[in-house]
Amino acid sequence: DTGVSQNPRHKITKRGQNVTFRCDPISEHNRLYWYRQTLGQGPEFLTYFQNEAQLEKSRLLSDRFSAERPKGSFSTLEIQRTEQGDSAMYLCASSLVSFGGYTFGSGTRLTVV
Amino acid sequence: KNEVEQSPQNLTAQEGEFITINCSYSVGISALHWLQQHPGGGIVSLFMLSSGKKKHGRLIATINIQEKHSSLHITASHPRDSAVYICAARGRVTSGSRLTFGEGTQLTVNP
Repeated sequence: DTGVSQNPRHKITKRGQNVTFRCDPISEHNRLYWYRQTLGQGPEFLTYFQNEAQLEKSRLLSDRFSAERPKGSFSTLEIQRTEQGDSAMYLCASSLVSFGGYTFGSGTRLTVV
Repeated sequence: KNEVEQSPQNLTAQEGEFITINCSYSVGISALHWLQQHPGGGIVSLFMLSSGKKKHGRLIATINIQEKHSSLHITASHPRDSAVYICAARGRVTSGSRLTFGEGTQLTVNP
């Protein structure tokens, strides 16, 4: 297992376009988290899954954002009609419910121009 | 007031100095994480602790649950320690164990 993998690493998109990011967690981890980090700030919680169920969504996650984890393995985060304010690093992390250790991916840096 | 606050925001040290980064939190937690983030964004977990003290190499992390305070110490600092250090409070199981992050401390160690 190579840890948490995120793709793509970088994405530049024009305002108004849709983008989708993928996260492949550590295979035995049943929890998967998405966080967003803007420049100079700590990450902020967006949403998390336990297996395939999305259990919580932050108020930061507007209607333009949707996340899925269809088979309880990889997850996708889609942003529709991107805005410049969506420019940020999107971080994925996974963990086991029974053990608190987190493993982070390298993130996807989104730039909306 | 943020739920997790770190100090200082920026720290510059000379190689070999002893470094302390502080973290205070106001939420109930199940654990406190210390993380390291290098340019490019990747985050590495350094410590997860819920009581007492942990040590790994030149890094030491302590937590005082009653005072809701944690510290990260780096002994004999080295330029390769330059990074952003972030503390994060892990919520209880009922809140999904999600992390609430501090804003990070940018550490620069000069040779």
